[in-house]
Amino acid sequence: DADVTQTPRNRITKTGKRIMLECSQTKGHDRMYWYRQDPGLGLRLIYYSFDVKDINKGEISDGYSVSRQAQAKFSLSLESAIPNQTALYFCATRGQSNEQYFGPGTRLTVT
Amino acid sequence: GENVEQHPSTLSVQEGDSAVIKCTYSDSASNYFPWYKQELGKRPQLIIDIRSNVGEKKDQRIAVTLNKTAKHFSLHITETQPEDSAVYFCAASIESGGYQKVTFGTGTKLQVIP
Repeated sequence: DADVTQTPRNRITKTGKRIMLECSQTKGHDRMYWYRQDPGLGLRLIYYSFDVKDINKGEISDGYSVSRQAQAKFSLSLESAIPNQTALYFCATRGQSNEQYFGPGTRLTVT
Repeated sequence: GENVEQHPSTLSVQEGDSAVIKCTYSDSASNYFPWYKQELGKRPQLIIDIRSNVGEKKDQRIAVTLNKTAKHFSLHITETQPEDSAVYFCAASIESGGYQKVTFGTGTKLQVIP
């Protein structure tokens, strides 16, 4: 679904570095989400935003921060990356229906 | 908070057989239950969902059942085909006044053997 895009798609970084993952959508949806996926752990919610002025922590927000620059953009930052943040990260949006539309994912490796 | 358990973690079936994946949830306030399919290297995509006021929903070869009393719901795939091979995630969601918080299960890797 090209309506939700993520950059970069793959990133290798070193422990202690700051990194930003970006998500953009052209679906016009107000609600945006950041998840991380780890083998055997499913999808876990990091942060979610219901509009530009509303940002909420999910179940695993420690070590992460977000910025909702506009309705269409929602960025996830790792202020000081650590190896256990190595994971596949997905951005998702949701409009009036209940369906969440996922981006293609960003594979992040912290060495 | 909500806790969603999903079983089995892996499932292998012969092509043409049925597959069943089961999930339980803990929060009785959950009222929306989607299922997502994630093919290898791809993003999760919604395949079917059910609301708490419905006991069963079908869409061609897939169906979902919900037992609110027992707090469990299941995905049924009949006449499985190789293209059904993927990871399936159940989820439970609380929907209230436009607010939605979704909790996902840990996933089931389904392999359909030709």
